[in-house]
Amino acid sequence: GNSVTQMEGPVTLSEEAFLTINCTYTATGYPSLFWYVQYPGEGLQLLLKATKADDKGSNKGFEATYRKETTSFHLEKGSVQVSDSAVYFCALGFGSSNTGKLIFGQGTTLQVKP
Amino acid sequence: DAGVIQSPRHEVTEMGQEVTLRCKPISGHNSLFWYRQTMMRGLELLIYFNNNVPIDDSGMPEDRFSAKMPNASFSTLKIQPSEPRDSAVYFCASSNVAGVGYFGPGTRLTVT
Repeated sequence: GNSVTQMEGPVTLSEEAFLTINCTYTATGYPSLFWYVQYPGEGLQLLLKATKADDKGSNKGFEATYRKETTSFHLEKGSVQVSDSAVYFCALGFGSSNTGKLIFGQGTTLQVKP
Repeated sequence: DAGVIQSPRHEVTEMGQEVTLRCKPISGHNSLFWYRQTMMRGLELLIYFNNNVPIDDSGMPEDRFSAKMPNASFSTLKIQPSEPRDSAVYFCASSNVAGVGYFGPGTRLTVT
């Protein structure tokens, strides 16, 4: 089946520290991979995406590379800010010409302290 | 585009009452999802539609929950009768042909 596994949180870092949130997946077929972010009291927002193997998604200083050989899509940022404190969700999805399914990991809470 | 629209944004109701949540997906998106989020259980997929057809409803908790998508621009999630344990934030999302999902702002449901 299809599934997404994320590292458990919370992850607590000091401002300007390096961030890695691990994400691995299992999938039949060729999904796209996503990272979503949820700020307190808000809905989920798409942070970045990669649609095929070796693609790198990037946005707001965050990056993730679609690694088919390790079935991973780890999120990284070189220098976190307090404003990055949020819950981060890794997800895989199939377009509507396929099954259209969108599957999320359990989420990882990031707390950045000044 | 206005994004995914959900209504109401907040709903407070008494146990036993019927609750209907509404969603308007982004125009042109062919897949629609209903999720529930709680502190205890995290983000749960309840049901999703592809081209207005329910594909997977295995996440619907029980028969008290039902969802419909009568056309490409509208979906409802109904709970009848509601119970306090249904209290949660319910999100609707739609995705495009590439599978990129966009979420609505959510409906915060409180059942007393």
